[in-house]
Amino acid sequence: DSGVTQTPKHLITATGQRVTLRCSPRSGDLSVYWYQQSLDQGLQFLIQYYNGEERAKGNILERFSAQQFPDLHSELNLSSLELGDSALYFCASSASLNTGELFFGEGSRLTVL
Amino acid sequence: SQQGEEDPQALSIQEGENATMNCSYKTSINNLQWYRQNSGRGLVHLILIRSNEREKHSGRLRVTLDTSKKSSSLLITASRAADTASYFCATDRRLTGGGNKLTFGTGTQLKVEL
Repeated sequence: DSGVTQTPKHLITATGQRVTLRCSPRSGDLSVYWYQQSLDQGLQFLIQYYNGEERAKGNILERFSAQQFPDLHSELNLSSLELGDSALYFCASSASLNTGELFFGEGSRLTVL
Repeated sequence: SQQGEEDPQALSIQEGENATMNCSYKTSINNLQWYRQNSGRGLVHLILIRSNEREKHSGRLRVTLDTSKKSSSLLITASRAADTASYFCATDRRLTGGGNKLTFGTGTQLKVEL
């Protein structure tokens, strides 16, 4: 158990809809990362937050947004969903701003029909 | 885009044999990490090697890093069936804005047969 909690574990929705994925980092970790894993794209870095502030941005679509709250949990919002958004979405946390070891949650599997 | 490319894409060996996976990357890095992923599960950190290190050991794992060739290798000795998983290298690059980006490679699927 990594200590990182992600909900929901599975989510099935229709094209055009909006979903929110939630992540609770390990106790004490200030940095949260979001990754998308799909068969054709592999593991793609989406965004990093540190202590509530966005610190690094990767291949995150404009339809997607994220935030980190004062209690350090984070949410990833995916809107206007397309079939190609079907993937595993991982949250990871680390103690510091500059990586080191990442602790991954078990992921949220999103299926868009 | 993927920073790291693992080779081979898939590897099948017998229990007790050694498994070697290679990773090549494109840009300068602060450190390189290896992760393991069991099917459909979260990734688990295995080992981190800094850019000024050449070799590191952890249990049955041995990692090498050659920054001049922009490549790394992961050796698992005396493999076990429980080592069956996908293995990813990840390169850590510090960004000018103060954040950092850990970019994962394409992964090697290792199957260890009894």
